[in-house]
Formats: sequence, structure tokens, C-alpha cells
Amino acid sequence: DARVTQTPRHKVTEMGQEVTMRCQPILGHNTVFWYRQTMMQGLELLAYFRNRAPLDDSGMPKDRFSAEMPDATLATLKIQPSEPRDSAVYFCASGELTGQPQHFGDGTRLSIL
Amino acid sequence: AQSVTQPDIHITVSEGASLELRCNYSYGATPYLFWYVQSPGQGLQLLLKYFSGDTLVQGIKGFEAEFKRSQSSFNLRKPSVHWSDAAEYFCTAFSGGYNKLIFGAGTRLAVHP
Repeated sequence: DARVTQTPRHKVTEMGQEVTMRCQPILGHNTVFWYRQTMMQGLELLAYFRNRAPLDDSGMPKDRFSAEMPDATLATLKIQPSEPRDSAVYFCASGELTGQPQHFGDGTRLSIL
Repeated sequence: AQSVTQPDIHITVSEGASLELRCNYSYGATPYLFWYVQSPGQGLQLLLKYFSGDTLVQGIKGFEAEFKRSQSSFNLRKPSVHWSDAAEYFCTAFSGGYNKLIFGAGTRLAVHP
């Protein structure tokens, strides 16, 4: 079965460091989503891409977070500088069309010390 | 505002018992509705989806859900729960014209032997 692949699975770093999370969407999917999951806030949508173009990043703190799709096989989410409150599990999901089910990766568990 | 509500944060059932997880949505039009399951340390897996047509939809792992427009509900059911069904379940909705997938808070299911 085709899967969304996220790397790294786990990341521990000190505050102030740059963090880059990567996502390989399922081949042929033209929508990519980044979510953050915490105990307090649950699942939050951070950014959404269609055909590699960012369409909605209103859920993302603009001052320190950035999301890009350099090509159709790679999406990145960067945090610079990182803060302890960024500790969470970050999920990437991809889909074929708006409104169709999204397929999720296994997430990156991020801990900022 | 559009919303998805899962009234039960935590449910415990005995193995072999029937299960119903509640979900209510608030949308102007009929939304696309999904149920996802998340096992510990894993991403979200799609259980089933409703777009239109037959209001009773079948999913994977023996789950089904019924869309009731009059009650704005999309409850998930399973006739006989297995210990491996212990996980967190998310009801979610996507409304045409919006790019965001709206998640409920999730229901954590525990299964007693």
C-alpha cells in the first residue's frame, strides 16, 4: 500500500535550534496538509498545499514556522527558532482532491528542551 | 461557525460488546464526513467516509456509520468490539468550498477483556 512517509519520526533538540520536518506524499496526490497534535489543543491544521502552491497557512505561527513544497515528492515544515511550546506530534497528510479522504503519515514527535 | 462535536471524551466497553461513538456536526450544507482511528504512536487511518447517497456506510475493520440529517449526526458503530479496537477515534468533516478538515476532539476507547 502507498503511504505518506515522514522523517524524522522523533526529534529532540534544544530551544533556539532550527527544526526541519519532511514529508513524502503519496505519488499522484496533489494536496498536502500539515497538522500539529497536542494533548491540550488536539489536531490543528497548520498549512495546506494544492499542486505545490500554499493555499492556507492561517493556522501556522508566521514568525517562526514556514512550510514549502520544493517539488511534488517533498513537503517541508521548518521551525526557526524552536521553542518548548512547539513540542508536539506533527502530521503530514496527502490527498487526491479537495474533499477526498486524506492519508496520514505516522508523524514526527518533536520535543524542544 | 462550522464545528464537529464528539460528546464522549472517553468510553470503556467490554470485549465482545457493541459500540457506538457519537458525532454531531454543524454545517449549513451537507458536509463530507469521515471517521478516522489513531492507535498509539501512529497516524490517523481512515475508517469510512460519507459523501452522499446511502446514509449507512460500511468501513474497514467491521465499522459502520449512519448519517442522520435530522439529527446532524454521524455516529460510528460496531456490533462486537475486539481488544485491538482500543484507540482514539476522530470524527471529521469537510465542507465544499473550504479547504480545512474540521476535527472533533476525539473519543478514546478502552476495551476490557
